[in-house]
Amino acid sequence: EIVLSQSPGTLSLSPGERATLSCRASQSVSSSYLAWYQQKPGQAPRLLIYGASSRATGIPDRFSGSGSGTDFTLTISRLETEDFAVYYCQEYGSSPVLTFGGGTRVEIK
Amino acid sequence: QVQLQESGPGLVKPSETLSLTCTVSGGSISPNYWSWIRQPPGKGLEWIGYIYSSGSTNYNPSLKSRVTISVDTSKNQFSVKLSSVTAADTAVYYCARLVGGFLVIWGQGTMVTVSS
Repeated sequence: EIVLSQSPGTLSLSPGERATLSCRASQSVSSSYLAWYQQKPGQAPRLLIYGASSRATGIPDRFSGSGSGTDFTLTISRLETEDFAVYYCQEYGSSPVLTFGGGTRVEIK
Repeated sequence: QVQLQESGPGLVKPSETLSLTCTVSGGSISPNYWSWIRQPPGKGLEWIGYIYSSGSTNYNPSLKSRVTISVDTSKNQFSVKLSSVTAADTAVYYCARLVGGFLVIWGQGTMVTVSS
């Protein structure tokens, strides 16, 4: 069973700054099956990135994903106020099961 | 635009069975994969399982002995049942459409509390 570890747990930044979120897998993951979600308080998660680097429909280009193997990154180039939220990575494995990371909270500094 | 709506009791007694339904509107439930996910208060996301519109299923191994997901294509609905619930099953339960391993459309979620 793959375990996804997200870091940091909390990221304190100011609007306009760059955010770099990490998702590390306990074993190699196919890039095709790595996704990122954004969740705001009281709302359902929203798909941001799939296939490690492809933006979902309607997602601004300030969001980008990268990585391969066991290390993946979500980058928000310039934080806007609506970007302060919790972000989860997710992997679809060969079992096949879906696994989520524990999440990274991006908060206003 | 496909939309999902969860429905079911908000309060379930310990040891009983939690039952929720997800209604798909704006599109057909077939041929697609559909999933259930839950989130305990203040915690992260946990995948429960998924079902294909034909009825084939796959479950989280940690819940497999207690969970059943079913589909009713005539009603454009799919459902989850979780038996022998405890307080640890208290969570917001989401339904979602699964495409290529990713959860592309989510319902708004429904809170289920397990308490006597």
